[in-house]
Amino acid sequence: GAVVSQHPSWVICKSGTSVKIECRSLDFQATTMFWYRQFPKQSLMLMATSNEGSKATYEQGVEKDKFLINHASLTLSTLTVTSAHPEDSSFYICSARDSSSGGGYTFGSGTRLTVV
Amino acid sequence: EDQVTQSPEALRLQEGESSSLNCSYTVSGLRGLFWYRQDPGKGPEFLFTLYSAGEEKEKERLKATLTKKESFLHITAPKPEDSATYLCAVQANSGYSTLTFGKGTMLLVSP
Repeated sequence: GAVVSQHPSWVICKSGTSVKIECRSLDFQATTMFWYRQFPKQSLMLMATSNEGSKATYEQGVEKDKFLINHASLTLSTLTVTSAHPEDSSFYICSARDSSSGGGYTFGSGTRLTVV
Repeated sequence: EDQVTQSPEALRLQEGESSSLNCSYTVSGLRGLFWYRQDPGKGPEFLFTLYSAGEEKEKERLKATLTKKESFLHITAPKPEDSATYLCAVQANSGYSTLTFGKGTMLLVSP
């Protein structure tokens, strides 16, 4: 089945620094990938839709200058949290769909970000 | 606005004790309803997609059903390894639509 690889699985950074999270589709091409954020015991909240070769589409209330998304190839999307602050600490998850297989959306294993 | 409500929030079962999880939804035309399993600290793992009322899908001890207003995830004779959070999500039938998730049901199966 479709596999989405996400790295790193966890990261601790100092306040004010930037962190990059990678999301790769391993055995299929994904023109569109999705980035979610999840707080404890809460729903996955869509942050943005990453489009290969064009600008990402951000959900209302998500700061595009803070959460930079780059989708430079059909198998790689990156999310960079710029000038991170403790309130950015959360679980970030990416997702993609292998439309050729007709399957559901496949999720990465997630990245636990802790800003200290 | 699309909405998904899952109940109960948490469920504790004894091994072998069958039960059902509920997912109620409101959506402007349903393209698909998705069930996922999420283990602590992991991303969601795809279980089922249902597209129309009356549809049913099964996988091992799990069976998902769909009506026009809700979906059920039936768990038959659960085992401890079925312990996880089960997430429900809907996708609307508009031109470009993303998934809207419920908060999930945390299932704990005791031996």
